[in-house]
Amino acid sequence: NAGVTQTPKFRILKIGQSMTLQCTQDMNHNYMYWYRQDPGMGLKLIYYSVGAGITDKGEVPNGYNVSRSTTEDFPLRLELAAPSQTSVYFCASRDGIPYEQYFGPGTRLTVT
Amino acid sequence: KQEVTQIPAALSVPEGENLVLNCSFTDSAIYNLQWFRQDPGKGLTSLLLIQSSQREQTSGRLNASLDKSSGRSTLYIAASQPGDSATYLCAVADYGGSQGNLIFGKGTKLSVKP
Repeated sequence: NAGVTQTPKFRILKIGQSMTLQCTQDMNHNYMYWYRQDPGMGLKLIYYSVGAGITDKGEVPNGYNVSRSTTEDFPLRLELAAPSQTSVYFCASRDGIPYEQYFGPGTRLTVT
Repeated sequence: KQEVTQIPAALSVPEGENLVLNCSFTDSAIYNLQWFRQDPGKGLTSLLLIQSSQREQTSGRLNASLDKSSGRSTLYIAASQPGDSATYLCAVADYGGSQGNLIFGKGTKLSVKP
């Protein structure tokens, strides 16, 4: 099992550009999450999904969109990149009890 | 709204010391509490998960305790080594509207000096 994989690992965007961060898990987990981590801070929830076709906003959703067409994939879309979106993005998934979350390696995004 | 606080923000100790990292949370309605390790520029490594019905978990030199009623958890590291240097993050999975998402503290940055 590869677990949770994310691509790309690094990306530099210009202001106003768009991109999609990819996340795939091979554990057949229903629940998937996107977090962002700013320097010196903990992670904050952007969006989450409880299964294919069902997504909802987290604490910091502005400027992002998600979709969940399959159990395995949960891409995060940035439409008009802004410097405030410079961060490290982590994708995670979980199953049922004990609700342990498994994290991908992260994507480092810089918007200049 | 659930809030997680970690104290201290940074800690420097000589090699071989036993140490305790603290985590507190404001709402006791949680599924579990997880401790993670994060090396600079790297992802999160899960260290220990304590379910809400448990009091502690142990893995090697690490022991984590949970007191839900007081909203506290501690991570005990025995006989610290330079390789333990990293940031340690505490997170709770609460009953809130986001289906058990994790609420993170800001972390404790640990430095173990040889």
